[in-house]
Amino acid sequence: GQQLNQSPQSMFIQEGEDVSMNCTSSSIFNTWLWYKQDPGEGPVLLIALYKAGELTSNGRLTAQFGITRKDSFLNISASIPSDVGIYFCAGHPTSGTYKYIFGTGTRLKVLA
Amino acid sequence: SQTIHQWPATLVQPVGSPLSLECTVEGTSNPNLYWYRQAAGRGLQLLFYSVGIGQISSEVPQNLSASRPQDRQFILSSKKLLLSDSGFYLCAYTTNRGSYNEQFFGPGTRLTVL
Repeated sequence: GQQLNQSPQSMFIQEGEDVSMNCTSSSIFNTWLWYKQDPGEGPVLLIALYKAGELTSNGRLTAQFGITRKDSFLNISASIPSDVGIYFCAGHPTSGTYKYIFGTGTRLKVLA
Repeated sequence: SQTIHQWPATLVQPVGSPLSLECTVEGTSNPNLYWYRQAAGRGLQLLFYSVGIGQISSEVPQNLSASRPQDRQFILSSKKLLLSDSGFYLCAYTTNRGSYNEQFFGPGTRLTVL
C-alpha cells in the first residue's frame, strides 16, 4: 500500500546530541502524527499536528506540519538512551478516507 | 480515560490451525477500528478497518478476516493459518472528533505460525 517517504531509515547518535527526522508525501495531508515504538510494544503517539505551519512540542520533542502540507519533521533535543526505538510518521489525507498512511520508520540508536 | 486492549499478547500456532485475535476499546463510543500487521523490523501494513458495527473494509486479500460484533470490539480471524501469517498484529482506534482525529494503538499480539 501507499507509504510515506521517511528519512533517515536509521541513525546512530551520541547521547546529548539533537536528532532530526522527516517525512514527505506526494499527497496533501490534513493531519500528521508522530509515534515511537519500543521493541515488542505498540506505537505510542508522541505529537499530533493539524494545521499547516503548526509547531508543537512535547518535552524534548518538537514537530512541525509543513507549509505545503506534504511534509513534517520531528526533532529530539539532547537525546538520552531511552530515546532508542523506531519513530513513525503517519498522515491522514484531506478527505474521503478513514485510512492513515504510515512512514517506513526511523530506527534511532543512542550511544552513551 | 480511553484504553485499548488486545489478547492474547503472544500466540504460537501450527500451520492450518484457526486464529482469533481480539481487540476491545474502553472510554469512547463509535470509534473507527483498525487491524495492522507488522513484519519484523518493518513498517505497518493495514489489513482491515471498520467505521461501525458489522462494517468491515479489507485492504489486502489474504486468508484473514475481521468482524466487529460490538461497537468497541474488533476481531481478527483465520480458518487456516499460513506460515506467512506470522507477525506482530496491532489493533488501533480513532475517535470521531471532526478534523481532530488521533490514532491510538494497542499493545499488540505476537503471532508465530510453525
